[in-house]
Amino acid sequence: KAGVTQTPRYLIKTRGQQVTLSCSPISGHRSVSWYQQTPGQGLQFLFEYFSETQRNKGNFPGRFSGRQFSNSRSEMNVSTLELGDSALYLCASSLVGGAGEKLFFGSGTQLSVL
Amino acid sequence: AQSVAQPEDQVNVAEGNPLTVKCTYSVSGNPYLFWYVQYPNRGLQFLLKYITGDNLVKGSYGFEAEFNKSQTSFHLKKPSALVSDSALYFCAVREGTGANNLFFGTGTRLTVIP
Repeated sequence: KAGVTQTPRYLIKTRGQQVTLSCSPISGHRSVSWYQQTPGQGLQFLFEYFSETQRNKGNFPGRFSGRQFSNSRSEMNVSTLELGDSALYLCASSLVGGAGEKLFFGSGTQLSVL
Repeated sequence: AQSVAQPEDQVNVAEGNPLTVKCTYSVSGNPYLFWYVQYPNRGLQFLLKYITGDNLVKGSYGFEAEFNKSQTSFHLKKPSALVSDSALYFCAVREGTGANNLFFGTGTRLTVIP
């Protein structure tokens, strides 16, 4: 069974640009979550999608958005990039997003904003 | 509000010695507790979880963790450390409300010295 796949693996952008990251969950998983990882802030929850609906959202500005498609694949978009958006963005999937479910993480997209 | 504290940024242990990585948590309701490990340039991998039942939980790669409700702790342990255990370890908590917002600690870097 294939794991969680995130593309691209690395991205370099300049301030003011926008970026779209993609995540394909494990087959059969319907819940997809996104996390931002930085050395200073650690792992911070961005949002969670289930059945194409955003079910939970973290404390990030509106420049961060996402969506989920009918096949459970998810994308996140960051508009008007800032230097502080440089981070490893991790996607995780689980069957239905239940409280006791473990998350399966992708290898992440490393975003560098210059 | 939920929170997780990992008081040690760095833990060093000699190969073959027992290791402990500390974690304390705070939640309003019943805690769902998890440990994840991250190897360089990789996403997080699930090690073990506590939902209910026996306070001693066994997980992958010989790791175990003990849930202590009175001390609100969930320390990760292994009887005999391997050099390959060197990695970044994250404790995480979720309130048992069904929301998929997993709240992570800041991580502890474990170095096993040959």
